[in-house]
Amino acid sequence: EVQLLESGGGLVQPGGSLRLSCAASGFTFSSYDMSWVRQAPGKGLEWVSALTASGGSTYYADSVKGRFTISRDNSKNTLYLQLNSLRAEDTAVYFCAKETPGSGWAFDFWGQGSLVTVSS
Amino acid sequence: QSALTQPPSASGSPGQSVTISCTGTSSDVGGYNYVSWYQQHPGKAPKLMIYGVTKRPSGVPDRFSGSKSGNTASLTVSGLQAEDEADYYCSSYAGNNNLVVFGGGTKLTVL
Repeated sequence: EVQLLESGGGLVQPGGSLRLSCAASGFTFSSYDMSWVRQAPGKGLEWVSALTASGGSTYYADSVKGRFTISRDNSKNTLYLQLNSLRAEDTAVYFCAKETPGSGWAFDFWGQGSLVTVSS
Repeated sequence: QSALTQPPSASGSPGQSVTISCTGTSSDVGGYNYVSWYQQHPGKAPKLMIYGVTKRPSGVPDRFSGSKSGNTASLTVSGLQAEDEADYYCSSYAGNNNLVVFGGGTKLTVL
């Protein structure tokens, strides 16, 4: 059974940093592209960042480019998102998601999400 | 403002059909056959319902179908059931610069 379990969320002050982790199990993690998608309270979904299976290519939404860094450790079956220079508008539930191969970045499995709150 | 435009709400009675639209541009929806649809119940993670415009993942009922014409994609839910009441989001591949764009979501109410 595919499982994605996010951790690392919490309350952080504006300008602060946080690192989210997503522990994967039930599939060959190193074979799949992965993404982070966020959802602000009461709002819609927003794609944040993506990383290919090997970690060789990374992609970022304009809203987080230069502030967030996506990475993965295939030996630990874990995806990461380093969040720096956080702003109030980064407050959201952050989901990690597994891509369906060949689907043009459709996500067939999602974690339960990790809440990041940016507030003083 | 979301990159893809969806109606904020849709509704139908049990057994009826409802169609939700998702309008983009030639740089996303119209440019690729990579439109996906997600169902999200309150407090839950999204669930993939349709990918590649028309494909259904294993386990998704065939009451859910997708289509596309030009820059507009559509999700049709036939034989509406109470458990279909949820938020629905479309997404599309948008090229290597902005990879994935989502719609603002449509709240489907089963009357």
